[in-house]
Amino acid sequence: QSVLTQPPSVSAAPGQKVTISCSGSSSNIGNNFVSWYQQLPGTAPKLLIYDNNKRPSGIPDRFSGSKSGTSATLDITGLQSGDEADYYCGTWDSSLSAVFGGGTKLTVL
Amino acid sequence: EVQLVESGGDLVQPGGSLRLSCAASGFTFNSYWMHWVRQAPGKGLVWVSRINSDGSIRNYADSVKGRFTISRDNAKKTLDLQMNSLSAEDTAVYYCARLDGGWEGYYFDNWGQGTLVTVSS
Repeated sequence: QSVLTQPPSVSAAPGQKVTISCSGSSSNIGNNFVSWYQQLPGTAPKLLIYDNNKRPSGIPDRFSGSKSGTSATLDITGLQSGDEADYYCGTWDSSLSAVFGGGTKLTVL
Repeated sequence: EVQLVESGGDLVQPGGSLRLSCAASGFTFNSYWMHWVRQAPGKGLVWVSRINSDGSIRNYADSVKGRFTISRDNAKKTLDLQMNSLSAEDTAVYYCARLDGGWEGYYFDNWGQGTLVTVSS
């Protein structure tokens, strides 16, 4: 069981918006920045969002992140078939170990 | 271009040992903390271990403490993970990941392609 809680799956049609939630506690999300990772089928994770809401170079602005209290959210707008992937949130716990959500599988209908 | 290339994954019997390596290139290796993260088949990401830039600080997840040893050779730009007393629960793809950040938060900005460790008789 993962430390952070994500919905197992979400789905939406092309062009639509989807939101992926990530719930934690005061010992992790509540006191640390959150990052998000995209894992396309059969590939390694890729950094999508860092410091709650920043995008690395090359990540389109269709991807956005936010954090409030002990929860974080990843929004993806203008869904494309190429966005089908597993998405993981990540942060740190009180012992400064990395913790991740269980992952959310995004299906573009 | 930052590159992290893992190697060493294999099929190993329960109770056996294996040594994973991660070859780094394209960045100043000795300036970064490095981590190992694993992913069991069909499961999520799980942090395994970390080492600081000069190798003097090493931390482990409780599940591997006492069995795994992380190390690095900054001259060779390699990160290693020595895994002993392996069990089926250690079966996973093992990723090395570079830690970046510091102005605000920390995050894994680069990942290797992973190497598969299968523990089975």
